[in-house]
Amino acid sequence: GQQVMQIPQYQHVQEGEDFTTYCNSSTTLSNIQWYKQRPGGHPVFLIQLVKSGEVKKQKRLTFQFGEAKKNSSLHITATQTTDVGTYFCAGRGSGTYKYIFGTGTRLKVLA
Amino acid sequence: ETGVTQTPRHLVMGMTNKKSLKCEQHLGHNAMYWYKQSAKKPLELMFVYSLEERVENNSVPSRFSPECPNSSHLFLHLHTLQPEDSALYLCASSPYPGLAIPDTQYFGPGTRLTVL
Repeated sequence: GQQVMQIPQYQHVQEGEDFTTYCNSSTTLSNIQWYKQRPGGHPVFLIQLVKSGEVKKQKRLTFQFGEAKKNSSLHITATQTTDVGTYFCAGRGSGTYKYIFGTGTRLKVLA
Repeated sequence: ETGVTQTPRHLVMGMTNKKSLKCEQHLGHNAMYWYKQSAKKPLELMFVYSLEERVENNSVPSRFSPECPNSSHLFLHLHTLQPEDSALYLCASSPYPGLAIPDTQYFGPGTRLTVL
């Protein structure tokens, strides 16, 4: 079955440093979404990527969808303490309602 | 505030109890989901309802029984659970039920379930 792997599992960075998390699917995806979950909170939608090679930016966050639509990345420039949380990717194959979530990357930002 | 509410927020139950989790969305969405989030595991999709019809059942044990009486409400009925069922149960909703349309999911705060 479809699997979505996410690396790294944990990342501690100094405030101001950059951060990247990578998401890899075992199968081609129709689209991919990214979510952020603060400690004690619930996942909150960040963005959705649909097209092959798509790049989207939200302020300090840059999201990429691979050409083969099997991998994606989230890059945060100059992290802030408010970026703390777990970042999940969620990929959906074609012909299914099911989103497969990655294992998440827990980001800790040290002030 | 995401517009998706869940009750109760915390639940402790014995293995022989019967309880229900409730989810309500105030967003006018047409699809609703149940997810299970356990420690150190990815979010696991349990059920998907599209326009009140169950369209996905992700091999969930029969001790979990979903119910969707209308597009705004979703229940998860629990009976004879096991301690390994202890987890955060998240409800989500999305606007479109269609397979062809990528869809944004809005999550509720979750119910923290502990099975003794």
